[in-house]
Amino acid sequence: GQNIDQPTEMTATEGAIVQINCTYQTSGFNGLFWYQQHAGEAPTFLSYNVLDGLEEKGRFSSFLSRSKGYSYLLLKELQMKDSASYLCAALDSNYQLIWGAGTKLIIKP
Amino acid sequence: IAGITQAPTSQILAAGRRMTLRCTQDMRHNAMYWYRQDLGLGLRLIHYSNTAGTTGKGEVPDGYSVSRANTDDFPLTLASAVPSQTSVYFCASSENGQATGELFFGEGSRLTVL
Repeated sequence: GQNIDQPTEMTATEGAIVQINCTYQTSGFNGLFWYQQHAGEAPTFLSYNVLDGLEEKGRFSSFLSRSKGYSYLLLKELQMKDSASYLCAALDSNYQLIWGAGTKLIIKP
Repeated sequence: IAGITQAPTSQILAAGRRMTLRCTQDMRHNAMYWYRQDLGLGLRLIHYSNTAGTTGKGEVPDGYSVSRANTDDFPLTLASAVPSQTSVYFCASSENGQATGELFFGEGSRLTVL
């Protein structure tokens, strides 16, 4: 079966760095997405990786290892507004998105 | 502001009633989707449409139907609501299929079936 695993909840301190991990098992693979979802709001796109390596976009970076079925989202210089759920989703061989349950990130002052 | 509009935002519905969730986008995207989001589970695809006039079944289509008469509108109908359909429903669109990347989501419709 197809599966996405990510931690349910993480806590970090304002100004610090946090890494949210995601492992995936899919039938074929055509890319890995990260979305941010604030409570009660719609998910919004953060990043897309299809090749191995690190993609940096401001305070957020996303890493992919296709051989390990692994990705992480790295958030630097954490701000209170980064408190949200972070959704990992993998695109399978049929170009269908398989979604993880999300990681709720709590930022403490 | 361009984007996706869903209605209603929230609804309480008696079991057995018919309900249509509306979704309209003004980005001229070809593909549209309906997802449900339940606590502890990932987003699950109900139905999708890759272009006006075509629709397809997602992971959890039973009890739901959709239509895509034009590019902009993609309503989701529950013919006879059941309590297990209590969920938050998100409509989304993308320029083409999911392979092309970014999905744009509406603000969601919270549905409670009693």
